[in-house]
Formats: sequence, C-alpha cells, structure tokens
Amino acid sequence: DAKTTQPPSMDCAEGRAANLPCNHSTISGNEYVYWYRQIHSQGPQYIIHGLKNNETNEMASLIITEDRKSSTLILPHATLRDTAVYYCIVGSYNTNAGKSTFGDGTTLTVKP
Amino acid sequence: DTAVSQTPKYLVTQMGNDKSIKCEQNLGHDTMYWYKQDSKKFLKIMFSYNNKELIINETVPNRFSPKSPDKAHLNLHINSLELGDSAVYFCASSQPGQGAVEQYFGPGTRLTVT
Repeated sequence: DAKTTQPPSMDCAEGRAANLPCNHSTISGNEYVYWYRQIHSQGPQYIIHGLKNNETNEMASLIITEDRKSSTLILPHATLRDTAVYYCIVGSYNTNAGKSTFGDGTTLTVKP
Repeated sequence: DTAVSQTPKYLVTQMGNDKSIKCEQNLGHDTMYWYKQDSKKFLKIMFSYNNKELIINETVPNRFSPKSPDKAHLNLHINSLELGDSAVYFCASSQPGQGAVEQYFGPGTRLTVT
C-alpha cells in the first residue's frame, strides 16, 4: 500500500472551512484515497473515499488532484466537535481485507 | 444500534494473566480486524479475518490468538500478558468489494497491564 504524508497539526477557526492536505505520490492506479478521523478516546471514524473524481458527502468533501498524487479533505464549516486526528490512507478497493496503514495523521484543532 | 461493539471497555490485569476481548458486528460484513493503538497513538493492524478465515497476520507475538466463531464475531485472546501489551485495542469490520479499506471501528478496549 502507498504511504501518505500529512502535516502533524493544523488550527481552524470555528465556522470556517478546514482544508487538510495529504500527499500520496506513490499511489497506484487501483488505489483509493480514504479519510478517517479519530476523536479523543474513540474509535476511528470513516469519513469519505475517492479514486480520481472529487467526492462530497454529508461530512466532508474530497478533492483529488488530476495526477492523484495529493488530495485535500475539506470540512466546510468546522465546529468544535471536529477537533480530532485526521488520517489519510490509500488502499485497494477490491481486496478481501484492507491492510490499511494509519500514519501519524493531522491533529486538527478547531478554535472558538 | 451499535454497529461494532467490544467488551470490555476497560481491562486492568496483572502481568502473566490470560485475558480475552470480544468483538461483534451487526453490519453483515465478511471481514473483521484487530488493531492496536499504543501510547504514541500509532494505530497498527494485528489480524484480519474474512468469513472466519485468517488472512492477515502481522508480526504479532503468538501470545495473541484471534478466534472467529462466526463472521459476526472476532475475539482476541492474550496469554501471559506483559507490560508492553498495555494499549487500546480496536476491532473493525469491512465488506470486501464495497471498499475493503472502508472500515467501521468499535469503541476500543483499553488494556492496562500492571
């Protein structure tokens, strides 16, 4: 599985958009980009995934560059409850099990 | 309804003891996992089962033995507990063909070995 690089920490003002970048320059053609977050003392929570098109759901938007070497997770209106560690992961879709590797992630702190 | 549940939530025990952690998912998924998150917050996969069959077995001491009685359950038994086993253990599940990396995690079991 390809590795990812994320900034260790970011701050965001409450109500503003939080843009979390991720580099995955060694991603292969059949690998998807997945985002998770882990709020303190809870299990990781799946947010969104995509292959090459931009994706949006009720939680966030995912923007993937045309060369697929990087992506950005966007939380359009961050709230204090969005403070968490955000993990960007790449992995194959049609495998029996996702041998996903969670890196250090980005600690997002949303401030009032 | 809790999708992925684990018991117990907290487990405090002494070195040398044997303990088990249970996991159940009601999502109908075929694949289940065990992860370990240590004090540095690094989340590392330990095992994965697909339809009761072991398919991922990372470099984990053989004191750790997963057991899957059916595809909705994956239990983790740990023999001869050591101080270094103290961590939070997460169970997860996913459905092959619908995004194997789209995993749903349980709330975690915080194991403290004294």
